[in-house]
Amino acid sequence: GDSVTQTEGLVTVTEGLPVMLNCTYQTAYSDVAFFWYVQYLNEAPKLLLRSSTDNKRTEHQGFHATLHKSSSSFHLQKSSVQLSDSALYYCALRSNMGYKLTFGTGTSLLVDP
Amino acid sequence: EAAVTQSPRNKVAVTGGKVTLSCNQTNNHNNMYWYRQDTGHGLRLIHYSYGAGSTEKGDIPDGYKASRPSQENFSLILELATPSQTSVYFCASGEQGSGNTLYFGEGSRLIVV
Repeated sequence: GDSVTQTEGLVTVTEGLPVMLNCTYQTAYSDVAFFWYVQYLNEAPKLLLRSSTDNKRTEHQGFHATLHKSSSSFHLQKSSVQLSDSALYYCALRSNMGYKLTFGTGTSLLVDP
Repeated sequence: EAAVTQSPRNKVAVTGGKVTLSCNQTNNHNNMYWYRQDTGHGLRLIHYSYGAGSTEKGDIPDGYKASRPSQENFSLILELATPSQTSVYFCASGEQGSGNTLYFGEGSRLIVV
């Protein structure tokens, strides 16, 4: 079945510095979409950005990610983090079967002043 | 904005008791889902539904039942609650297709004592 791996449980970054959250995946399907969800404290997860196109950069709210099928990765990056970026970030994929999202274990991003 | 509402938002139950978590969506989405969220495990799918009258097992269905009496409503039922089911439960709705996102409710925090 599909699987998503997020290796970092917690990432701590100083405000104004860049960050990259890692995401790799395994899937047997060719028609697959990839997502990053963000969950602020005591809130619901919500979509941050999504992509299904290989080697195309996708951006939203200052974050960007590029799907690389050659390395099975969809890392999330930001060039200058803000205190308000502190949250739990989930990488997920949805195959052409389309019935569910498969999530990684999540990475907590903590931005220090 | 898509709307998914869950009730109750907080629940304390006794071991062996019955718990019903309810979810209502006004998006007219065919698909609905129940996930549980646990640190170190991320979001894991319990049950899902393609439409009224249908329920399907997700990745961790043991100890849970689901009911979809209408397009709008999807319930998660714990017939005999156990302390291991202490968690935060999220309901979500979405359309079929790999590129379509899911919309999550605010979550229901369940403690089984």
